[in-house]
Amino acid sequence: GQNIDQPTEMTATEGAIVQINCTYQTSGFNGLFWYQQHAGEAPTFLSYNVLDGLEEKGRFSSFLSRSKGYSYLLLKELQMKDSASYLCAVMDSNYQLIWGAGTKLIIKP
Amino acid sequence: GAVVSQHPSRVICKSGTSVKIECRSLDFQATTMFWYRQFPKKSLMLMATSNEGSKATYEQGVEKDKFLINHASLTLSTLTVTSAHPEDSSFYICSARRLAGDLNEQFFGPGTRLTVL
Repeated sequence: GQNIDQPTEMTATEGAIVQINCTYQTSGFNGLFWYQQHAGEAPTFLSYNVLDGLEEKGRFSSFLSRSKGYSYLLLKELQMKDSASYLCAVMDSNYQLIWGAGTKLIIKP
Repeated sequence: GAVVSQHPSRVICKSGTSVKIECRSLDFQATTMFWYRQFPKKSLMLMATSNEGSKATYEQGVEKDKFLINHASLTLSTLTVTSAHPEDSSFYICSARRLAGDLNEQFFGPGTRLTVL
């Protein structure tokens, strides 16, 4: 079956760095996406990785290792507004997104 | 950027009534649109995949007669929840796929909060 695993909840301090991990097992792979979702809102796109390595975009970076079925989202210089759920999703061979359950990130002052 | 809108953003209805939710891609053509349902503290659940001009493909366990999907044009898909019941109360989110090079990305609408009394 297809499976996406990520931690349920993480806590970090404002100004610090946090890494959210995601492991996946899917039928086929056409890229891995990270989305941010604030409570009561739809997900918003953060990053896309299809090749191994690190993609940096401002305070957010995303890493992919296809051989390990592993990705992480790195958030630097955390701000209170970064408190949200972070969803990992993999596009399978049918170009459909398979979703993780999301990681709730709590930022403390 | 690619923008997807949903209407209404919030709806409250009585049990037994039908509710229509619209999903529009505003500045691009979407040959494929997806309808998701999200339960509190759970991942997005794909309900159906909608292709323009053809019947929607429903995921296992989703009642096609209850959740009617119409994808009439390259920019509009509608989801109609028929004879809604309280257990249908949920957050419904649509997304539209834009094929751009190697990036097959989905752009999400803002979601519709449905409350059935």
